[in-house]
Amino acid sequence: SYVLSQPPSVSVAPGQTARLTCGGFNIRGKSVHWYQQKPGQAPVLVVFDDSDRPSEIPERFSGSHSGNTATLTITWVEAGDEADYYCQVWDSRSDLAVFGGGTKLSVL
Amino acid sequence: QMQLVQSGPEVKKPGTSVKVSCKASGFTFTSSAMQWVRQARGQRLEWIGWIVVGSGNTNYAQKFQERVTITRDMSTSTAYMELSSLRSEDTAVYYCARGRRGAYDYWGQGTLVTVSS
Repeated sequence: SYVLSQPPSVSVAPGQTARLTCGGFNIRGKSVHWYQQKPGQAPVLVVFDDSDRPSEIPERFSGSHSGNTATLTITWVEAGDEADYYCQVWDSRSDLAVFGGGTKLSVL
Repeated sequence: QMQLVQSGPEVKKPGTSVKVSCKASGFTFTSSAMQWVRQARGQRLEWIGWIVVGSGNTNYAQKFQERVTITRDMSTSTAYMELSSLRSEDTAVYYCARGRRGAYDYWGQGTLVTVSS
């Protein structure tokens, strides 16, 4: 089955840029979606189809692809961005969804 | 506004079943697909399966294939996820979410299912 790999944790100072990665074989051929989840809350979609944002998500959140890695970039990081971030794709061969293991973003 | 409201927390004994509901409002339920995802405490999101509401077609993760049934009631705009033969490892928060083979743009608030003897 398809596997997505995310680093367990990333730390960044306020005002800096956080780059969260999501690796998978030939991920470039798939649409990658990113979710933010704060403790005790349901996930929130922050980037879909690699680089699009829902209207309510700030422009500070952006997505990109390169080779076998997708990246969620958060610029001007704020304390409120501290959360777990999950990447997700649809595995068309099995017709099912796959989530990465999640990255905990800590704002120092 | 678009909303998914799930049923309340459940406490179940091992070997029994649980059925979680997810009532949709604010969008055309019959044109949608509904996904079910669970998350054990401190663990990753785990995809369970989905249903195409209009056709009733379903697909499940292999891990849950023999124990899960996802259904829908179009008259009440409600999706259901039933998990049988419960064991302690099924203790988790269960989420419904709207989406097809792409991103999930709306999520329910989650339902805590606790399996304990």
